Amino acid sequence: QVQLQESGPGLVKPSETLSLTCSVSDRSIRSYYWSWIRQSPEKGLEWIGYIYHSGSSSYNPSLRGRVSMSFDTSKDQFSLRLTSVTAADTAVYYCARHSNTWRYFDYWGQGTPVTVSS
Amino acid sequence: EIVLTQSPGTLSLSPGERATLSCRVSQSVHSDFLAWYQQKPGQAPRLFIYAASTRATGIADRFSGSGSGTEFTLTISRLEPEDFAVYFCQHYGGSLWTFGQGTKVEIK
Repeated sequence: QVQLQESGPGLVKPSETLSLTCSVSDRSIRSYYWSWIRQSPEKGLEWIGYIYHSGSSSYNPSLRGRVSMSFDTSKDQFSLRLTSVTAADTAVYYCARHSNTWRYFDYWGQGTPVTVSS
Repeated sequence: EIVLTQSPGTLSLSPGERATLSCRVSQSVHSDFLAWYQQKPGQAPRLFIYAASTRATGIADRFSGSGSGTEFTLTISRLEPEDFAVYFCQHYGGSLWTFGQGTKVEIK
């Protein structure tokens, strides 16, 4: 079964950019939609956005244009960038695969904690 | 924006008992767009129920989902030790995915 693995810095300074990468274990990266989701005690689970290998993407309006995602099919990876971070962006960040109907998330990475602090 | 409200916040039960978890949606939604996840400490959420009542692959039949409109329920018929965890409901609609705040099922 497919495995997802998040990677990136665990500590980011306020006002800087958070960058994370999700590695997918098989070539299914070209066949599904992929999302980033974060979880914090304050906000719970929050969908950040999705991307498809064609470049199609959509983001949560609550993040007010600070989000972008990109794909690297040659490496079976996709990435998240979140700019101008504040302490409110401190969370565990998950990458997840959408189900065939794309309404749910059927595979998740183990999550990577990110702290925003100077 | 659709809001999902789960109740109770915490459910204290003993193994073998029945658990009933509620997910109330702020406006009527199609049941095809409602899912439930289980999350254990230090782990990612795991899809348990989708389309309100369909068990995901490998999920035991003691788990069942029901409901329609604005009221959805996850029922665990007889709690096993491995079922004590946090459960989230999730809705998809209008290119937005939203989650409830979770119900913790703890050992009494």
